[in-house]
Amino acid sequence: AQSVAQPEDQVNVAEGNPLTVKCTYSVSGNPYLFWYVQYPNRGLQFLLKYITGDNLVKGSYGFEAEFNKSQTSFHLKKPSALVSDSALYFCAVRDGNFNKFYFGSGTKLNVKP
Amino acid sequence: NAGVTQTPKFQVLKTGQSMTLQCAQDMNHNSMYWYRQDPGMGLRLIYYSASEGTTDKGEVPNGYNVSRLNKREFSLRLESAAPSQTSVYFCASSEGQGVAGYTFGSGTRLTVV
Repeated sequence: AQSVAQPEDQVNVAEGNPLTVKCTYSVSGNPYLFWYVQYPNRGLQFLLKYITGDNLVKGSYGFEAEFNKSQTSFHLKKPSALVSDSALYFCAVRDGNFNKFYFGSGTKLNVKP
Repeated sequence: NAGVTQTPKFQVLKTGQSMTLQCAQDMNHNSMYWYRQDPGMGLRLIYYSASEGTTDKGEVPNGYNVSRLNKREFSLRLESAAPSQTSVYFCASSEGQGVAGYTFGSGTRLTVV
């Protein structure tokens, strides 16, 4: 069965420090992986995706994610966090049925000045 | 730059009442989706429509019905609202098979008392 796990409900980091938000997945076939960000009272916004190619994917707002097939992980990273990065982050995987995405439970990122 | 528009933004219903959540997209996307978001559970797919004239059940369809009125509009109906349907509802759309990701609306916050 397809699934996505975000093991941390919350991640706290100081501004200027690197951040990592973790995601692991289980999917049949080749994974299509996504990260979305949600600001308070807003819909989800697309950050980046991995379909194929380089394992390091760069996306919006300076975020990047590393695909690791052996560890079935797709962790979101940023070299230097900003207070404005504070939001809820969702990892998602698209399974072989193109109409179905599975979302993780979300990780709240808190960046403190 | 409307994207995906949802109405209403907020709604309070009494148990047993009915209502329809409206969703419209102006990006000429083929596929549309309804998700609900509950704390600690991420987003769960209620129904989706791969193309105009087709609808299919997602993970949590019980208590809901949908209508794909035309290519632009995809509505979600609660026939007899229950407190368990208190949630934030998101509509999304995608082009083709969703490889480019989804575009989300800003959500409808529904409370059933």
